[in-house]
Amino acid sequence: DGGITQSPKYLFRKEGQNVTLSCEQNLNHDAMYWYRQDPGQGLRLIYYSQIVNDFQKGDIAEGYSVSREKKESFPLTVTSAQKNPTAFYLCASSIWALAKNIQYFGAGTRLSVL
Amino acid sequence: QQQVKQSPQSLIVQKGGISIINCAYENTAFDYFPWYQQFPGKGPALLIAIRPDVSEKKEGRFTISFNKSAKQFSLHIMDSQPGDSATYFCAASMAGNTPLVFGKGTRLSVIA
Repeated sequence: DGGITQSPKYLFRKEGQNVTLSCEQNLNHDAMYWYRQDPGQGLRLIYYSQIVNDFQKGDIAEGYSVSREKKESFPLTVTSAQKNPTAFYLCASSIWALAKNIQYFGAGTRLSVL
Repeated sequence: QQQVKQSPQSLIVQKGGISIINCAYENTAFDYFPWYQQFPGKGPALLIAIRPDVSEKKEGRFTISFNKSAKQFSLHIMDSQPGDSATYFCAASMAGNTPLVFGKGTRLSVIA
């Protein structure tokens, strides 16, 4: 069963706590992305990685960190520096084929603050 | 990243009617324009996409119209059905494995 797996589906964070969201893909895609979705705001890019051991900041990287040690995995850590972490987090991966940037999404993780 | 502006924010259409969602972009380097459909609590799914060398693309009831000179593109849903009720996002990207820039979304409700 191919695709992108995000876990957990729901996550709760206490004040001052770091939490890590998992994203795994078995599509053999080179590029992976993290987006944050808030009501009425669309999807905003947090970080992306086009190749293993390399990643770039997106528009709203402050308070977040990532790693890309394996092609299939791109975990996102929401640090205590992120003061408003409540949101729906989406992971995606992409392949550039036939002049198309086809991006696939996971089912998301909903993060709430206790 | 430059913006993609999407309108309307919400749309109510009668069953069997035509739903039209519009997007405009600024960056002429954008090379790929997909539309995504998202149901509540789920990740977005690719619906249809177009490249700027084509003015229209049709897949079933879904059509993208693209106006390169005006830097605008739109999604038309023909014979809209209650099952089409979802949030639709337009997006744009440059060539290669690059991030998508998303519009803010349109919540479509199709009523019987």
